[in-house]
Amino acid sequence: DAGVTQSPTHLIKTRGQHVTLRCSPISGHKSVSWYQQVLGQGPQFIFQYYEKEERGRGNFPDRFSARQFPNYSSELNVNALLLGDSALYLCASSLAGGQRAYEQYFGPGTRLTVT
Amino acid sequence: GENVEQHPSTLSVQEGDSAVIKCTYSDSASNYFPWYKQELGKRPQLIIDIRSNVGEKKDQRIAVTLNKTAKHFSLHITETQPEDSAVYFCAARHSGAGSYQLTFGKGTKLSVIP
Repeated sequence: DAGVTQSPTHLIKTRGQHVTLRCSPISGHKSVSWYQQVLGQGPQFIFQYYEKEERGRGNFPDRFSARQFPNYSSELNVNALLLGDSALYLCASSLAGGQRAYEQYFGPGTRLTVT
Repeated sequence: GENVEQHPSTLSVQEGDSAVIKCTYSDSASNYFPWYKQELGKRPQLIIDIRSNVGEKKDQRIAVTLNKTAKHFSLHITETQPEDSAVYFCAARHSGAGSYQLTFGKGTKLSVIP
């Protein structure tokens, strides 16, 4: 089975622009979470979606939004980019059921650079 | 909200020695504690996890222990090998139905010296 996939792998944007990041979960996984990882730090939770509904939101401004599609893939949108948004954006998927419900598997991430 | 503290931030060991990384958490309702290994430029990889109803779990050279009373958990790697060199993150899952939010520690950079 394919793991979690994300696109694009790298992205360079300028301040004030908008960006859309995409994630496809592991087949059969129904929950997708987004994390931001700044260099030298642990991942920080942004959003969690399950069955197309938002189930959790971290301490991020309203410039960050996300959605989940019927096929369980997900998009993360960031508006009015700031230099401080430069980071690795990670998507993680979970079965959200059964004995291994809590296990989260990460994608390779999208490296966003804002100039 | 949940807060996870991790130490040490860096750890160097000789090949074959053991390595121990410790984490503390603040929310006594947290019930799931995974450990991730992240090599340079790669995704975090789930290496072991433990639930709050278990005190210890082992998988070959890796073990995790949990002390709910003290709200701390530890990763133990025995017989370390150069390929164990990476950054290790601990995390705690927020309580609450349907929540899969993880709060991560700041990471421990492990260097295994051949």
